[in-house]
Parts: sequence; C-alpha cells; structure tokens
Amino acid sequence: DGGITQSPKYLFRKEGQNVTLSCEQNLNHDAMYWYRQDPGQGLRLIYYSQIVNDFQKGDIAEGYSVSREKKESFPLTVTSAQKNPTAFYLCASNGQGKDEQFFGPGTRLTVL
Amino acid sequence: AQRVTQPEKLLSVFKGAPVELKCNYSYSGSPELFWYVQYSRQRLQLLLRHISRESIKGFTADLNKGETSFHLKKPFAQEEDSAMYYCALSGRLRSGYSTLTFGKGTMLLVSP
Repeated sequence: DGGITQSPKYLFRKEGQNVTLSCEQNLNHDAMYWYRQDPGQGLRLIYYSQIVNDFQKGDIAEGYSVSREKKESFPLTVTSAQKNPTAFYLCASNGQGKDEQFFGPGTRLTVL
Repeated sequence: AQRVTQPEKLLSVFKGAPVELKCNYSYSGSPELFWYVQYSRQRLQLLLRHISRESIKGFTADLNKGETSFHLKKPFAQEEDSAMYYCALSGRLRSGYSTLTFGKGTMLLVSP
C-alpha cells in the first residue's frame, strides 16, 4: 500500500516534554514537508526537506526540530520550547518538479 | 512575499444552489494555484490546479491575473461537497522544488 503514513494518530504530552512525530513515505519522493493545522489558521509550514541530510525552516520553525537521515523518513520533534504545541500536524511529500503535494493522515498532539 | 486570502471561514448553502469559494493571492511572479479539499475524517487531497483547466467533481476555478483571484465554483452544490477547502499558491525554489502557501480555509456546508 503506497503513500504517506504518520504515527501515532493521537499523542498526549505533558508540558516540558519533547515528543517526536513520525512520517514515512514509500512514494520515492525527494521532498518532504511538515505543516501545522489550527482552526481558522489554515496550514502553516514548519520545516521542509528537499534531499536527504538537508532541511530548511518554514514560516513557524521555532520550537521544532527535524532530521532527514533517510529518503523515506522525516520525523518532527516538538520541543518544550514550543509555546503552543497543541495542534494537528500534517506531513506531505512530492517529487522534484511536481507541485502537487501528497498528505499523510495527520497526528493530533495534545499537551496536558 | 506570497499570500493567499480566503475571506470566508464558513459558507453554508442548500443542495442544488450555486457555490463560489473565494480566493485572492499576492505573488510577484507567475502564480501556480491549487485548491485542496479535506473531507471529514479523510486526508487533505488535491482537488484541482489552474494549469490543468479541468473540472473535478463539477468544480471549476479560473485564474484571473487582473483581479489576482482563483475562485472555486460549482453550479449545483451536493451534500457530499461539504468539506474544508483550501486555496494554495506554489512558490518555485531554485532547486526545482516548491513550497505551498495556504489560505486559512473555507468550510463549505451543504444542507439538504
């Protein structure tokens, strides 16, 4: 079954803890993206990566970190420095020269 | 800087009524615009792009460069059209990849 998977679907975290969200794709896409979706805010770009071992900050990178050690994987860490981490997080990917991005099912993070 | 504006948070219509979801953009180059849709409990997916000039599920969108608009239209709304709709603008990077800037979204509710 091809596509993008995100895990877990729901995640609860205590304040002050770091947490890592998983994103995997088997579409052989070079580029991967992380967005945050909040009600009334649309999707905002956190980080993106165009190639393994390289990534760039998006519009709201503060309090987040990423790694891209493998083409298939682009995990996002929400650190304790992120002031308002409760949100729905979406991962996406696309191939070079292709504008259409394919999205994962999302992870809903709640900080207690 | 590129920007996408969707002025309506919610659009509520009756089945069979015409629908127009508004989208305006600002971009210094030649824009590439998309409409993405998120049905309840489904992942975000591409609905249509201005380059293809096709009609998907009865929806069309015309790029108007003079008015910097890309409104989504459907002559007769169906209940299954109820969803969150996002307008997005593609910004091409030198690498050949692109990032998407999303509007804040419009929730379309079609009542029987």
